[in-house]
Amino acid sequence: AQSVSQHNHHVILSEAASLELGCNYSYGGTVNLFWYVQYPGQHLQLLLKYFSGDPLVKGIKGFEAEFIKSKFSFNLRKPSVQWSDTAEYFCAAESYNTDKLIFGTGTRLQVFP
Amino acid sequence: EAQVTQNPRYLITVTGKKLTVTCSQNMNHEYMSWYRQDPGLGLRQIYYSMNVEVTDKGDVPEGYKVSRKEKRNFPLILESPSPNQTSLYFCASSLLSALPHTDTQYFGPGTRLTVL
Repeated sequence: AQSVSQHNHHVILSEAASLELGCNYSYGGTVNLFWYVQYPGQHLQLLLKYFSGDPLVKGIKGFEAEFIKSKFSFNLRKPSVQWSDTAEYFCAAESYNTDKLIFGTGTRLQVFP
Repeated sequence: EAQVTQNPRYLITVTGKKLTVTCSQNMNHEYMSWYRQDPGLGLRQIYYSMNVEVTDKGDVPEGYKVSRKEKRNFPLILESPSPNQTSLYFCASSLLSALPHTDTQYFGPGTRLTVL
């Protein structure tokens, strides 16, 4: 079955530390890939997306993600996190074969000053 | 302002009492969807709709119904709610970038439902 895996369930960092959150999908073929963020008590917002072209995608608030097709991965990175990045992060993938968008289980990031 | 609205935001009800959660978007999006969010399970899609009168099951449709009579509205209906439907529900809408695939989804503020 098609799935999206986020292996880091809970990440705790100090401010200025670098961040990398893993995301792997199980689809074959063409996929659209997304990272969404949910700040405490708020709804989900798009951080960045990949449809085609340059596999290194830049999003809002200094986040970026790299699509590596051979590894079925779309990891999220930020070189220096801030306290305000404390949130839950969701990776999502949509296969062109099924047109269903499937979310990972999310990664809770806590950043301490 | 472009937005997705949901009502109510909070609801406590009892087992078996029919309820409807409304969802409305003002962006003329073709695609609308309902998700439930549960701890450790992330977001799971309940139903989605590609356009008016076109709806399809997501991954967890049991116990839910939807309708899409107008482009802007996509209500979620629980005919006979049960405690396992206690959850946080999100409605979302999107343009269809290259049919039938979605583009960025815009989420509503969420509805926290408790079924006693």
